Amino acid sequence: DAKTTQPTSMDCAEGRAANLPCNHSTISGNEYVYWYRQIHSQGPQYIIHGLKNNETNEMASLIITEDRKSSTLILPHATLRDTAVYYCIVRVTGTGNQFYFGTGTSLTVIP
Amino acid sequence: DTGVSQDPRHKITKRGQNVTFRCDPISEHNRLYWYRQTLGQGPEFLTYFQNEAQLEKSRLLSDRFSAERPKGSFSTLEIQRTEQGDSAMYLCASSPSTSYEQYFGPGTRLTVT
Repeated sequence: DAKTTQPTSMDCAEGRAANLPCNHSTISGNEYVYWYRQIHSQGPQYIIHGLKNNETNEMASLIITEDRKSSTLILPHATLRDTAVYYCIVRVTGTGNQFYFGTGTSLTVIP
Repeated sequence: DTGVSQDPRHKITKRGQNVTFRCDPISEHNRLYWYRQTLGQGPEFLTYFQNEAQLEKSRLLSDRFSAERPKGSFSTLEIQRTEQGDSAMYLCASSPSTSYEQYFGPGTRLTVT
């Protein structure tokens, strides 16, 4: 049921920007893209979300392509504590507005 | 704001026993969600409450599973006649009426032996 495709794993050097891609080619016009991350044995943590404009907050930036078929989460200066599984989610609008998580991208930040 | 809490954090039970988990959402969050997560997979949606009404249930929620949110505050998830395949992390999340960001609790890890 997941509507997103992400690479299984990625590495990033500490201090460098981590760019995590996500494909959501079947996204509908009113569906938002959310990003969460999950550090081992913890509940998922909200990072950022967007509809069609690029978004930035204190944690990350979200770049959504003009056709909205893909997006990129950018962690500008990765630290070791950013090592986690990152999930790109399309929120299904409707009664429940539940999230469909895929298997995510396991990001390892290397010292 | 103390965040979403779940109790217990870990539960080991024998096959065939019943178990009940509790979730306390962030106060004033009217939406509450239950998810299940197995090793190496992302969380899978189980059920959703708006206030005390259970508005949606996944096909994953077999008849051995039941969830309640009696007063629109805390919620319980009960699994009857547990099976080894029920071993998983059970996650609870809540969100306010003003947005759809879901805030997750730490989860309850269930092991069925």
